[in-house]
Amino acid sequence: AQSVAQPEDQVNVAEGNPLTVKCTYSVSGNPYLFWYVQYPNRGLQFLLKYITGDNLVKGSYGFEAEFNKSQTSFHLKKPSALVSDSALYFCAVRDSPTGGGNKLTFGTGTQLKVEL
Amino acid sequence: DVKVTQSSRYLVKRTGEKVFLECVQDMDHENMFWYRQDPGLGLRLIYFSYDVKMKEKGDIPEGYSVSREKKERFSLILESASTNQTSMYLCASSGDRRTEAFFGQGTRLTVV
Repeated sequence: AQSVAQPEDQVNVAEGNPLTVKCTYSVSGNPYLFWYVQYPNRGLQFLLKYITGDNLVKGSYGFEAEFNKSQTSFHLKKPSALVSDSALYFCAVRDSPTGGGNKLTFGTGTQLKVEL
Repeated sequence: DVKVTQSSRYLVKRTGEKVFLECVQDMDHENMFWYRQDPGLGLRLIYFSYDVKMKEKGDIPEGYSVSREKKERFSLILESASTNQTSMYLCASSGDRRTEAFFGQGTRLTVV
């Protein structure tokens, strides 16, 4: 069964510092990986995805993520955090067709708090 | 803009009632999903559908059913609502596996 783990419930970082939100996954075949963000009282918004190709993917609002197949990780990063980045972040995985199934599985979420 | 519309933002129902949550998407997406979101538990998949009249159980299907009679509409049904089904329900749709899912604004359901 596919799964996603976000080991940190909350990440605190000072504005201007780099941030990392961790994600590891498990699938049968090759993974399709996604990051979403949720602001208070809002639906989920897509940030970026890894499907194939370059392991470093860039997305919205200056975020990027690095796919590491050997460590089965897809950590979200930003070089310089903003207070407005404070939100709930979700990692998600979908298995490739060779892995079977069509589920989209989410992690438990990481609350990012950026302070002045 | 892609739009996924859920019929209600807030809903209050009584224990034992049959509850329908409706979701409509306007992008001709094959795949549609229903999740519930609870603090500390993230998004848990209830059911998903990959085509009209086709459905698959997610991770927590007990107490729920779904209906997809038309491609654009995916309904979640609580056959007999219980207080432990009080939650935020999120609908999503997507094209093929490589594409991102688009989410509705959510329905906060309270069962009293």
